[in-house]
Amino acid sequence: RKEVEQDPGPFNVPEGATVAFNCTYSNSASQSFFWYRQDCRKEPKLLMSVYSSGNEDGRFTAQLNRASQYISLLIRDSKLSDSATYLCAVKGFQKLVFGTGTRLLVSP
Amino acid sequence: DVKVTQSSRYLVKRTGEKVFLECVQDMDHENMFWYRQDPGLGLRLIYFSYDVKMKEKGDIPEGYSVSREKKERFSLILESASTNQTSMYLCASSLPPRRTNYNEQFFGPGTRLTVL
Repeated sequence: RKEVEQDPGPFNVPEGATVAFNCTYSNSASQSFFWYRQDCRKEPKLLMSVYSSGNEDGRFTAQLNRASQYISLLIRDSKLSDSATYLCAVKGFQKLVFGTGTRLLVSP
Repeated sequence: DVKVTQSSRYLVKRTGEKVFLECVQDMDHENMFWYRQDPGLGLRLIYFSYDVKMKEKGDIPEGYSVSREKKERFSLILESASTNQTSMYLCASSLPPRRTNYNEQFFGPGTRLTVL
């Protein structure tokens, strides 16, 4: 089993839709969790950290479910500019482990 | 803002050449990382470093070495480039756990290396 797993997608949604991605992790001792956004041929950029209590930043909401060992990212009112690949990252011992990413395509 | 820079955006080398990829960060981060990213495989950690002169193997260190002579600079070396090392190489830096609760990583723009 991979340490961090994501559905590669693509998720095709119309503008204005709500879309959610999950990311499962295998190490129950993991303490820190992140969502990164990566545009085509660009570097990953931190979108948000995922706190135990969940956190929201505008249209984006991140949740952590420790019992089931997954994190989620919810995007409300999708914009064309949200089209990108979303990588989850989980802090293992000494290093971050990244998922392979979920591709989101928002269409007009 | 954290700034991580990499010496080249695009690089084309021949099989057997020695290749140096340079990474510099300006935020006094102790931790630095080298990844490669390939379609379907995601980001894979090659080497990382916690401090000057220190280095640790990541998940795929074979065929690579690194150098950390100064805190701000972390170099990735391909001793004898091979075609299977054609990839996007990404450098990242972060604070150590003692200086932050979450130690998120900040990435450079990447170097797309093609080995012919």
